[in-house]
Amino acid sequence: KAGVTQTPRYLIKTRGQQVTLSCSPISGHRSVSWYQQTPGQGLQFLFEYFSETQRNKGNFPGRFSGRQFSNSRSEMNVSTLELGDSALYLCASSPSGPNTGELFFGEGSRLTVL
Amino acid sequence: GESVGLHLPTLSVQEGDNSIINCAYSNSASDYFIWYKQESGKGPQFIIDIRSNMDKRQGQRVTVLLNKTVKHLSLQIAATQPGDSAVYFCAENNNFGNEKLTFGTGTRLTIIP
Repeated sequence: KAGVTQTPRYLIKTRGQQVTLSCSPISGHRSVSWYQQTPGQGLQFLFEYFSETQRNKGNFPGRFSGRQFSNSRSEMNVSTLELGDSALYLCASSPSGPNTGELFFGEGSRLTVL
Repeated sequence: GESVGLHLPTLSVQEGDNSIINCAYSNSASDYFIWYKQESGKGPQFIIDIRSNMDKRQGQRVTVLLNKTVKHLSLQIAATQPGDSAVYFCAENNNFGNEKLTFGTGTRLTIIP
């Protein structure tokens, strides 16, 4: 069974640009969560989607957005990039949600903002 | 490889010895706890979980202990191996139906051959 796939793995952007990251969950998983990981703040929750609906959102500005498609694939978008957005963005999937079993994480998309 | 958590607490253990990694949580309403392992360049990997109605759970070479009185969680790894070197995170889910995990800051475990 294929794991969680995130694309791209690495990308470099400049301030003010926008970026879209993609996540393909494990087949059959309907919940997709996104996390931002930085050395200073650790793993911080961005949002969680289930059946195309956002069920929970973390404390990030509106520049961070996401969506989920009918095939459970998810994208997140960051607009007007700032230097502080440089981070590893992790996607995790689960059959029904984070509090009902383990999350399966992808290897992340490492974003560098110059 | 990439470096995660440059200012993490660290723990060094001789290969073959047992290790204990500790985690404190603050929300008494948390009812689900998980330990994750993150190797360099990879995403976190599930190790073991425990619900608040239990105080101990065992897996293969790993044991999680939960002390709700002092809001403390620990991960014990028996007979450590070089492959156990990684960053270990505890995570909690607070409030049933709140579909997110709150992660601790992590501990970097180094196994000395």
